[in-house]
Amino acid sequence: AQSVTQLGSHVSVSEGALVLLRCNYSSSVPPYLFWYVQYPNQGLQLLLKYTTGATLVKGINGFEAEFKKSETSFHLTKPSAHMSDAAEYFCAVKVDGGTSYGKLTFGQGTILTVHP
Amino acid sequence: GAGVSQSPSNKVTEKGKDVELRCDPISGHTALYWYRQSLGQGLEFLIYFQGNSAPDKSGLPSDRFSAERTGGSVSTLTIQRTQQEDSAVYLCASSRVGGGPETQYFGPGTRLLVL
Repeated sequence: AQSVTQLGSHVSVSEGALVLLRCNYSSSVPPYLFWYVQYPNQGLQLLLKYTTGATLVKGINGFEAEFKKSETSFHLTKPSAHMSDAAEYFCAVKVDGGTSYGKLTFGQGTILTVHP
Repeated sequence: GAGVSQSPSNKVTEKGKDVELRCDPISGHTALYWYRQSLGQGLEFLIYFQGNSAPDKSGLPSDRFSAERTGGSVSTLTIQRTQQEDSAVYLCASSRVGGGPETQYFGPGTRLLVL
C-alpha cells in the first residue's frame, strides 16, 4: 500500500520569502502525485499534479513541485510567498491497480502561515 | 460549469440519530468518491463509485456507514446510529474516470457534529 509523509505540520514564512513544503511518498508502483490546497471552510483545490514525463511540474498561483524518484519526494515550492497563500496544503498519491485503484492517499497536511 | 455540490453544509445531530449527506458530482463524471476529514485521522478515503461497477467500500469504518449512487449521478452517504467520533467534515469528489491521473474535484464538504 502507498503512503505519504508531509514533514512539518506547520510552516511559517515571511511575505516575499521562499515557500518549501515537503512531501515524501512510498509506493511499490509508479505513482501519480498531487498537491491540493484547502482554504478555511472550503473544499480542496488542485494546485498541480505529476503524471509522467517532465519531473518539474508548474501549477497555479506560482507554485511548482519536482518529482524526484530517487528520493521518493515531491516537494512544493514557491519563490515568493504572498499573504493569500496562507492555507493548509495536502500532498496525495494515487496508483493504478490492486485495492488502491482510484483512491487518493493523503498526507497529514501542512498549515502555511505567512507573516507580513 | 458547476462544480461538485454537497448538502447540507452543516449538520448537527444527536448521538444515535441517522443522518444523510448528499453529493452532486460534476455532470459527466463517472467516478465519485467520499472522504472524511477529522482532526485525529486527517483525510481518509471512505468509498468509491465508478460507473456501474460495484463500489469500493474498503474505507468505510463500520457497518453503520453506507452509500449509494442513483442513476450514476447523485450520491447519498448515510450514517446510522451516529456516534460522537463520527463528527468530521465529509468531502465528496468526482472525476471523469477513476483510473489514471485524472484530477478529483472536491465539493465544499458537509461539517457533521454529533452531540
